Amino acid sequence: DIQMTQSPSALSASVGDRVTITCQASQDISNYVNWYQQKPGRAPKLLISDASNLETGVPSRFSGSGSGTDFTFTISSLQPEDVATYYCHQYHDLHSFGQGTKLEI
Amino acid sequence: QITLKESGPTLVKPTQTLTLTCTFSGFSFSTSGVSVGWIRQPPGKALEWLAVIYWDDDQRYSSSLKSRLSITKDISKNMVVLTMTNMDPVDTATYYCAHGGGYSYGFDQWGQGTLVTVSS
Repeated sequence: DIQMTQSPSALSASVGDRVTITCQASQDISNYVNWYQQKPGRAPKLLISDASNLETGVPSRFSGSGSGTDFTFTISSLQPEDVATYYCHQYHDLHSFGQGTKLEI
Repeated sequence: QITLKESGPTLVKPTQTLTLTCTFSGFSFSTSGVSVGWIRQPPGKALEWLAVIYWDDDQRYSSSLKSRLSITKDISKNMVVLTMTNMDPVDTATYYCAHGGGYSYGFDQWGQGTLVTVSS
């Protein structure tokens, strides 16, 4: 099974800050990574697919990069509405999720 | 527009079998490159993938839960059913179904989720 190690588990930042979350896969998964945003009581929302592809309608302050085993998710200028938990997800071999990053302001 | 909705019991007793239904619209298993997966989330914890079924009826399961899970689809009713046997209180979670593409595709649309509590 492929393990996704996500860090940090929690993060506090200020409005306007640049925020970075990382995920490391236990083996090469090419670019088969999604990033989701989940707000309390809501289903996850897909933000980034195939490691770096911004989904339609998602603000451009969100971005993703990486391939192989190391992946990065970035919010270029943190907004109050970005308070949420973020998850990485690999789909190269079956599926697995990172442990999540709770982002607070 | 793709929509999915989970339904099933909100409360099950330990050792019972859980049956959840995902009813969807906006896509069809008659089309190649379609999948539906199940993911769960215990209260305050992370997402955990459970199972996925593909348009060609291929079924894949989480290795840790494989012996307890079964996923099937009903093309005519636009439904996917997940069964999980021998339920335990640690299985208390919100269960989501989600739409995906074919092999090597993630999940792009999710249902609202349904909370299942396991308690005697």
